[in-house]
Amino acid sequence: EVQLVQSGAEVKKPGESLKISCKGSGYSFSSYWIAWVRQMPGKGLEWMGIIFPGDSDTRYNPSFQGQVTISADKAITTAYLQWSSLRPSDTAMYFCARSGGRGPQSPFPHWGQGTLVTVSS
Amino acid sequence: DIVMTQSPDSLAVSLGERATINCKSSLSVISSSNDKNYLGWYQQKPGQSPKLLISWASTRESGVPDRFSGSGSGTDFTLTISSLQAEDVAVYYCQQYYNTPTFGQGTKVEIK
Repeated sequence: EVQLVQSGAEVKKPGESLKISCKGSGYSFSSYWIAWVRQMPGKGLEWMGIIFPGDSDTRYNPSFQGQVTISADKAITTAYLQWSSLRPSDTAMYFCARSGGRGPQSPFPHWGQGTLVTVSS
Repeated sequence: DIVMTQSPDSLAVSLGERATINCKSSLSVISSSNDKNYLGWYQQKPGQSPKLLISWASTRESGVPDRFSGSGSGTDFTLTISSLQAEDVAVYYCQQYYNTPTFGQGTKVEIK
């Protein structure tokens, strides 16, 4: 069974750094794309970017380029989303999701449970 | 970016009645190489992760009840719930994955 298990909720202050994780299991982690999706409070879904753990090919939504860094460690089957300096506007639920096919142009049938990030002074 | 626009933003339907959600893309999401529409529909219930219902515009995912169906091609798509059940109360999103994926703004489905 494919599983994506995300790290727990975080409460941070503006300006702090953060790295959240998404651990995949039940499949060949290196062979499928993993995406990150933001959902701000009471709002819709926004595609942040995607990574292929096999070779770390990473593609960002231009709206998030430079604001976050997506990475993966295939040795421990874990993908990451990180910020160097958080802002209150980063307060949101963050989901990871795995592609259904081997290419980036695929639907995403597998989702993590979400990580709530709260940024407040 | 391809902009996805859903209509309506919300709808209230009686139990057992049909619910129809529309999704329009600003550019065609059908590939000329394989004739596939790069369009999916997701359901998100309160406090849960999104769930993929329909991929490639009309392919129902395994385990999804057959009251859910997807149709359309090119730039205009529809998700239909043929007989609304209480457990279908949720927000529904369309998503194109033809290029950098984008979602529609969501349609909230409630019971009338």
